[in-house]
Amino acid sequence: GAGVSQSPRYKVAKRGQDVALRCDPISGHVSLFWYQQALGQGPEFLTYFQNEAQLDKSGLPSDRFFAERPEGSVSTLKIQRTQQEDSAVYLCASSLDRAHQPQHFGDGTRLSIL
Amino acid sequence: AQTVTQSQPEMSVQEAETVTLSCTYDTSESDYYLFWYKQPPSRQMILVIRQEAYKQQNATENRFSVNFQKAAKSFSLKISDSQLGDAAMYFCAYRSAPGGASNYQLIWGAGTKLIIKP
Repeated sequence: GAGVSQSPRYKVAKRGQDVALRCDPISGHVSLFWYQQALGQGPEFLTYFQNEAQLDKSGLPSDRFFAERPEGSVSTLKIQRTQQEDSAVYLCASSLDRAHQPQHFGDGTRLSIL
Repeated sequence: AQTVTQSQPEMSVQEAETVTLSCTYDTSESDYYLFWYKQPPSRQMILVIRQEAYKQQNATENRFSVNFQKAAKSFSLKISDSQLGDAAMYFCAYRSAPGGASNYQLIWGAGTKLIIKP
């Protein structure tokens, strides 16, 4: 597609439920990033993929967070047993490669945990 | 570790006037990239301007320009002839050059909310 596509745009879940957030990067983009943006703050890095390989997951806040990109294209961020502090906007970005190209962002998914 | 600081939570400017948003950063690296992103209420982060640290010349994109002071670790954004469509959150971000400590992830400031008065 023309840009990075994220779905759903909004997600409301009860505490303890599992959620899955989807990111469809720009076609041909090798690198894919997930960021978490709390209300009123700047984004914080969660994880990075180069093709299907998850090269860095150091930003994932706990083992309840899991990300995958099995075919090197679409990625899914899964949060298990959600907690209220997981409420945030989750941004996905992609770039042609990691070295020089700028990151292009989707519209994000706003996750609200009740 | 690298950090980015935006000390202005909110700025306002009259339409058609000029405004400058401040950003400072801390790093021990000599080569890196700096960015300004705009985030309107639609939430999509839009790249406004980018600066390579090894370039002394300040980047310019139409009405947007930066004042990059490497020694002072300062990277301000100037918006000339402000328009209503410029209203948004503006984020300053840092990325290491290839081979650096964080050569792929962006490190972000807390943002500045820009209000345009008609």
